[in-house]
Amino acid sequence: GAGVSQSPSNKVTEKGKDVELRCDPISGHTALYWYRQSLGQGLEFLIYFQGNSAPDKSGLPSDRFSAERTGGSVSTLTIQRTQQEDSAVYLCASSSDGGSGELFFGEGSRLTVL
Amino acid sequence: QKEVEQDPGPLSVPEGAIVSLNCTYSNSAFQYFMWYRQYSRKGPELLMYTYSSGNKEDGRFTAQVDKSSKYISLFIRDSQPSDSATYLCAMSAGPINAGGTSYGKLTFGQGTILTVHP
Repeated sequence: GAGVSQSPSNKVTEKGKDVELRCDPISGHTALYWYRQSLGQGLEFLIYFQGNSAPDKSGLPSDRFSAERTGGSVSTLTIQRTQQEDSAVYLCASSSDGGSGELFFGEGSRLTVL
Repeated sequence: QKEVEQDPGPLSVPEGAIVSLNCTYSNSAFQYFMWYRQYSRKGPELLMYTYSSGNKEDGRFTAQVDKSSKYISLFIRDSQPSDSATYLCAMSAGPINAGGTSYGKLTFGQGTILTVHP
C-alpha cells in the first residue's frame, strides 16, 4: 500500500493477556518508530529502528513491552501480561534516509485492556 | 516537568479567525521543530518543519521558533472548519536519520484541540 499500515485497528483484551500489534511501513523506508498516545497525553516515544543499527529502546515503559523488526520491514510490538494502564492508541511511523525527516504515521491500533 | 509543554485547550474560534498555537520546551539541544495535525481517529501528518530560530510561511500557516526563549508558535490565518483538528508540536535534537543515533526520537507536546465553527 501507499501508506503505513497497522493492524489490528482495534483490540480489546483482558488484563493479563498478551497482545501483538503489527506495522507495515512505507516500502523503502529504513526508519520505523512506535509511539503511544494516551488520552490527553500527546505522543510518547517507545522504540526506534534505523536500518541495521541496534534499536533505540529507551522509551519502552517496562520489560513487558518488546518490539522486533524483521527483514528491515514489518515490525511487531508485543505487550505481555497487559495492564489497564496499557490502554492507548499505538502509532507506528516510518521515514526515509536523507529525507526531510518527515514521519509518516499509520492510523494506529487502539488497545483497550479490560 | 515535561520537556515540551503545550496547552491542550480546547480552543474554539469562528471561521476566519487568526489562531495562535504555542509550545515551550526545556531542552536546549532541540534544533528541529515540527507541527503535526491530527484529525480524529487518524495518524498525525506533518504540517510545518523548521530548523533553529526564525519564521517559515506556507499558505495560511506560519511557524515561528524563538530558541532564546525556548518557545515555538504556529499561526493559522483565515481559519476554516476543515482546520478543526488536534495540533501537536514536536521537536528533536538532530536530523531524524542522523547516522542511526537516537536523534530519531521526536518529543511531542500534549496537543491542542482546535475547533473552527462556521
